[in-house]
Amino acid sequence: GAVVSQHPSRVICKSGTSVKIECRSLDFQATTMFWYRQFPKQSLMLMATSNEGSKATYEQGVEKDKFLINHASLTLSTLTVTSAHPEDSSFYICSASPGGPGETQYFGPGTRLLVL
Amino acid sequence: AQSVTQLDSQVPVFEEAPVELRCNYSSSVSVYLFWYVQYPNQGLQLLLKYLSGSTLVESINGFEAEFNKSQTSFHLRKPSVHISDTAEYYCAVSHQGAQKLVFGQGTRLTINP
Repeated sequence: GAVVSQHPSRVICKSGTSVKIECRSLDFQATTMFWYRQFPKQSLMLMATSNEGSKATYEQGVEKDKFLINHASLTLSTLTVTSAHPEDSSFYICSASPGGPGETQYFGPGTRLLVL
Repeated sequence: AQSVTQLDSQVPVFEEAPVELRCNYSSSVSVYLFWYVQYPNQGLQLLLKYLSGSTLVESINGFEAEFNKSQTSFHLRKPSVHISDTAEYYCAVSHQGAQKLVFGQGTRLTINP
């Protein structure tokens, strides 16, 4: 089946620093990638949708200047949390889709971010 | 806007017993419906989905879900569960014509021997 990887799986950083998370589709080309955030015992909340070569579309309430998304190729998207603060600590999950509406999203294993 | 409600946060059942995980959605437009499963320490995987056609959809590991438009439901069922079915199950909805998924809160299925 289609595989999506995320790196790193876990990261601890100091408040005020920036952290980059990579999401790769390993065996298919992803026309669209999605970034989610999941708080403990809660559901996945979509943060943004990115299409290769164009600007990401952010959900309401998500600060685009804080959560920078780059989708430079059909197999790689990155999420950079800029000037991270403790409230940004969370589980970040990406997914990738090879097609359009109704197409399956393939999820990465997630990245646990802890900001001290 | 769509929303998804999974009525049960946890469902404990005995091995080989039947199980139903409930999912209701709200939407003003036609939808696609999905069930994703997350096994311990793994990413979400698609279990099954309804796009159109037969309202009863099945997965390869014995789960099935039925789209009920009048009740706006997409409940997941399995007639006999196995220990390996222990996981978190998420119901999700998207507009027809859109890729964005809205997830329910998840249901933790625990199988007791």
